[in-house]
Amino acid sequence: SQKIEQNSEALNIQEGKTATLTCNYTNYSPAYLQWYRQDPGRGPVFLLLIRENEKEKRKERLKVTFDTTLKQSLFHITASQPADSATYLCALHLNYQLIWGAGTKLIIKP
Amino acid sequence: NAGVTQTPKFRVLKTGQSMTLLCAQDMNHEYMYWYRQDPGMGLRLIHYSVGEGTTAKGEVPDGYNVSRLKKQNFLLGLESAAPSQTSVYFCASSYSGGYTGELFFGEGSRLTVL
Repeated sequence: SQKIEQNSEALNIQEGKTATLTCNYTNYSPAYLQWYRQDPGRGPVFLLLIRENEKEKRKERLKVTFDTTLKQSLFHITASQPADSATYLCALHLNYQLIWGAGTKLIIKP
Repeated sequence: NAGVTQTPKFRVLKTGQSMTLLCAQDMNHEYMYWYRQDPGMGLRLIHYSVGEGTTAKGEVPDGYNVSRLKKQNFLLGLESAAPSQTSVYFCASSYSGGYTGELFFGEGSRLTVL
């Protein structure tokens, strides 16, 4: 069966450092991958979409990589700030639907 | 613009009761979705719609029904609530299918079934 793994343990990062979150998948070849941010008690908010033929995509302090050989996407936040603290979700395209990871909670400490 | 609006935000039901969750979007999106989110699990698709008057089953449709009579509204119904349906429900919409375009989510509806 399809499986998407994100670190279930919270990631604690010192303010100003780069935070790197991982999304791994198995038995699957997605054409697209999306990253969302979710704050407590709120709905997810779209951040970035990357296609299988794109190795890297950037948006301000955010960078996403997509390695179809390793079946892995990395999500980076550079110069992290306490306001970046949230849960980050990855989602992969499968049969015209999105399959979601459970998310990784990121905590940026001042 | 309000974006995607869900009502109610909170609801407590007894087993066997019925209820309807309403989702409204003002972005003229064709695609609408209902997801449930449970602790430690990814969002799971319940039902979705690719346009007014059309609906389709997602990953976990059992125990739920939906209707899309108007383009801007997508209703999720529970005919006979069960404790296993305790969850946070999210509605989302997108201009195109979610595999190419971003999804816009509502704030969620927290349902507890006793």
